[in-house]
Amino acid sequence: RKEVEQDPGPFNVPEGATVAFNCTYSNSASQSFFWYRQDCRKEPKLLMSVYSSGNEDGRFTAQLNRASQYISLLIRDSKLSDSATYLCVVSRMDSSYKLIFGSGTRLLVRP
Amino acid sequence: GAVVSQHPSRVICKSGTSVKIECRSLDFQATTMFWYRQFPKQSLMLMATSNEGSKATYEQGVEKDKFLINHASLTLSTLTVTSAHPEDSSFYICSATARTGELFFGEGSRLTVL
Repeated sequence: RKEVEQDPGPFNVPEGATVAFNCTYSNSASQSFFWYRQDCRKEPKLLMSVYSSGNEDGRFTAQLNRASQYISLLIRDSKLSDSATYLCVVSRMDSSYKLIFGSGTRLLVRP
Repeated sequence: GAVVSQHPSRVICKSGTSVKIECRSLDFQATTMFWYRQFPKQSLMLMATSNEGSKATYEQGVEKDKFLINHASLTLSTLTVTSAHPEDSSFYICSATARTGELFFGEGSRLTVL
């Protein structure tokens, strides 16, 4: 079983739609959680950290459920520029800087 | 602009040759650098953790004699793929951690072995 699992998609949505991605992690000792965005053939870029209380950044809302070991990302009012692969990332207990990446969920926003 | 620079961004080599990829932190000292590999449509897989002045720590299944990592200074780490084979063709990405704890990724290096 992968340490971080995501639905690979693709999610194909119209502009303006709301879309949600889910992610589960297997290591209950994981400490930190993030969503990264990766454009085709580019390096990943941090989208947002995920906190237990849930957090929002503009059109993006992230949630963490430690009991279920589940992380989500909600994107409201999708833009064409949101088309990318969204990577769920957790850090291991043994090093706060060692990141474990999910395989990503691909989002396609159409006009 | 990029704060972590990788070079080269693309490299094509013949099977059996060695390829060196550099990862530089441009305006900060990196206490730790990480090397990842990403095959098409797959996640980034951590290969090794590199600390300045000490030997790299490799993840399970990664051959340390094949993937040589040198972290000679606080701003430079190198990954050398020795005796490269077509199955080594991949996207190699480094990341660097600043003293503040911030993490920055390089732009990645695409290796194609013919």
